[in-house]
Amino acid sequence: NAGVTQTPKFQVLKTGQSMTLQCAQDMNHEYMSWYRQDPGMGLRLIHYSVGAGITDQGEVPNGYNVSRSTTEDFPLRLLSAAPSQTSVYFCASSYEGGGANVLTFGAGSRLTVL
Amino acid sequence: GENVEQHPSTLSVQEGDSAVIKCTYSDSASNYFPWYKQELGKRPQLIIDIRSNVGEKKDQRIAVTLNKTAKHFSLHITETHPEDSAVYFCAASSRGSTLGRLYFGRGTQLTVWP
Repeated sequence: NAGVTQTPKFQVLKTGQSMTLQCAQDMNHEYMSWYRQDPGMGLRLIHYSVGAGITDQGEVPNGYNVSRSTTEDFPLRLLSAAPSQTSVYFCASSYEGGGANVLTFGAGSRLTVL
Repeated sequence: GENVEQHPSTLSVQEGDSAVIKCTYSDSASNYFPWYKQELGKRPQLIIDIRSNVGEKKDQRIAVTLNKTAKHFSLHITETHPEDSAVYFCAASSRGSTLGRLYFGRGTQLTVWP
């Protein structure tokens, strides 16, 4: 099993450009989520999904779009990049086993917006 | 929604000493409390978790305690090693309307000096 695969690992964008961060998991997990990590701010939830065709907003959804057409894939789209979106992005998948929501994270994508 | 607070934000200990990190949560419906360790440049990884029907759980040198009445839980690391140096995150989740989401604390940077 590859686990959770994120691409790209690094990306530099100019303000106003759009891009998609890809996330795929091969563990047949129900839930997938996107977090951003900024110094001193911990992991903040952007969007999440509890199954194919179902998505919901997290704490910091503005400027991001998601869709979940398959169980395996959960891409994150930046519609018009801003310097405030410079961050490290983590995709995670999880299952709920007996009341435990156990997350497996991807390796992360470091995005810089100039 | 849930609010998880974590203290301290930084912690320095001598090798062999114990380290304790504390978290509080606000939602009495939360029933699952994991701890993640993130080494520099790496992804967060689950190190231990506890469910609300248990007061304490131990795994070798690490233990987690939960006080549901006071809504707080703690991570205890004994006999620390330099390899324990990392950022530690606590989190909380519940069933029901927030199924599939984890709420994270802001993290504690633990440094273990040889």
